[in-house]
Amino acid sequence: KAGVTQTPRYLIKTRGQQVTLSCSPISGHRSVSWYQQTPGQGLQFLFEYFSETQRNKGNFPGRFSGRQFSNSRSEMNVSTLELGDSALYLCASSLYGRDGGTDTQYFGPGTRLTVL
Amino acid sequence: GNSVTQMEGPVTLSEEAFLTINCTYTATGYPSLFWYVQYPGEGLQLLLKATKADDKGSNKGFEATYRKETTSFHLEKGSVQVSDSAVYFCALSDSGGSNYKLTFGKGTLLTVNP
Repeated sequence: KAGVTQTPRYLIKTRGQQVTLSCSPISGHRSVSWYQQTPGQGLQFLFEYFSETQRNKGNFPGRFSGRQFSNSRSEMNVSTLELGDSALYLCASSLYGRDGGTDTQYFGPGTRLTVL
Repeated sequence: GNSVTQMEGPVTLSEEAFLTINCTYTATGYPSLFWYVQYPGEGLQLLLKATKADDKGSNKGFEATYRKETTSFHLEKGSVQVSDSAVYFCALSDSGGSNYKLTFGKGTLLTVNP
C-alpha cells in the first residue's frame, strides 16, 4: 500500500509570493491534516479536512488556507510569504480522523519550503 | 489546553545501552498517546501508540506504557542500535474523540555511537 505522498519535496520562494503544496493520502483515507514544523516552534497543527470540509483549524493567520478534493487529495496554500514561513510542512492522513483502535495518522515525507 | 513535555536532548548513548526518553502530558479527558520517530531528512513515522490507561505500546523493541496516574508515557528500549539514531516525538490526540489534531512535544534527538 502506497504511503502519503507530498509534492514538491523542496521549494524555494521569495517574500510576497504565494505557494501551493500538495498531499495525496493513503488510499481509502478520508481525513487529511497539515502540520508546520520549525526549529523554534516544533510541530504545530494547521488544519484538517474530511470529505472536502475543513473540520478544524490551528492558530495560524488567514494567509494559510487549504482545500480537499473529492478523491481526498489535499492542497494547502500560503499567500504573501514571509521569512518566518520557512518550514517543513507535513501532511498526515487517517481513515476518519477518529480516535482509538486502528485509526491512526500516517505522515508524508514533507515539503521543505524556504522563503528568501 | 493540551500539552506534552519531553525530556530535553540531545541524548547520546553507546550501542546496546538502555534507553529511556521521558514524556509527560496535560490533557482533559482520555487522549490516545503516541511516539513518532523522524529520521534525518524524512517525515514522521509512527513508532507505537496506546489508546487507554495501562495499555502498553510496543514496536521494534521499543515500549511505552500509558500511565494515567502519573500522566506519563515514557519510551524505553533495552538495547539501542546505531540505526535508532533519530528524533523522537511524544504526542497526544485531541481527547474530543478525534485523532486528526495531534499535540507534540519538542522532540528528543538520540544519537547512538558504535
